[in-house]
Amino acid sequence: AQSVTQLGSHVSVSEGALVLLRCNYSSSVPPYLFWYVQYPNQGLQLLLKYTSAATLVKGINGFEAEFKKSETSFHLTKPSAHMSDAAEYFCAVSHATGTASKLTFGTGTRLQVTL
Amino acid sequence: EAGVVQSPRYKIIEKKQPVAFWCNPISGHNTLYWYLQNLGQGPELLIRYENEEAVDDSQLPKDRFSAERLKGVDSTLKIQPAELGDSAVYLCASSSGLFSGELFFGEGSRLTVL
Repeated sequence: AQSVTQLGSHVSVSEGALVLLRCNYSSSVPPYLFWYVQYPNQGLQLLLKYTSAATLVKGINGFEAEFKKSETSFHLTKPSAHMSDAAEYFCAVSHATGTASKLTFGTGTRLQVTL
Repeated sequence: EAGVVQSPRYKIIEKKQPVAFWCNPISGHNTLYWYLQNLGQGPELLIRYENEEAVDDSQLPKDRFSAERLKGVDSTLKIQPAELGDSAVYLCASSSGLFSGELFFGEGSRLTVL
């Protein structure tokens, strides 16, 4: 079974500082990995996804993530945090079954951005 | 293009009462999902539809939960009777059915059971 573990339920950074949100996965087959963002009282929105192409994936709003098989990690980063980045971030895993996606989500990391 | 639409956004009921949530997916999306999101947790899949067929409902508590997707478009999720522990956000999502991984989510229906 596939699963993801997000380290740190809350992360606080200063505006302009580096954002690093950690995600480790467990999968017996090559995984597809995703990061979703959820703003308050809204649904989830896809930030970026890894589907076995380039290991460094760029997403929306300046976020990127690097797939590291040796570390079973897919950490999310952004060089400079903005106040508007404050939200809940979810890492998710799926695997290629030939059918539509079935995502398993992590427990989420709440990002706080301070002045 | 309109996104995934859910209603109601908020619902407060007393325990043992029934409740229903409605979802209208993005036009042309064959795959529809219902997820449960408890406070401080990630979404958990309840049921997945391919057109009208429920292809994955292993996590749906069938003693009190039911879902349907008539004509392969809109879907309804029902709880009867509701329990205190059902208080959560119920998220609907849809996808094109191709393995792109991208699910499009609605804003969710927040249920409070008193």
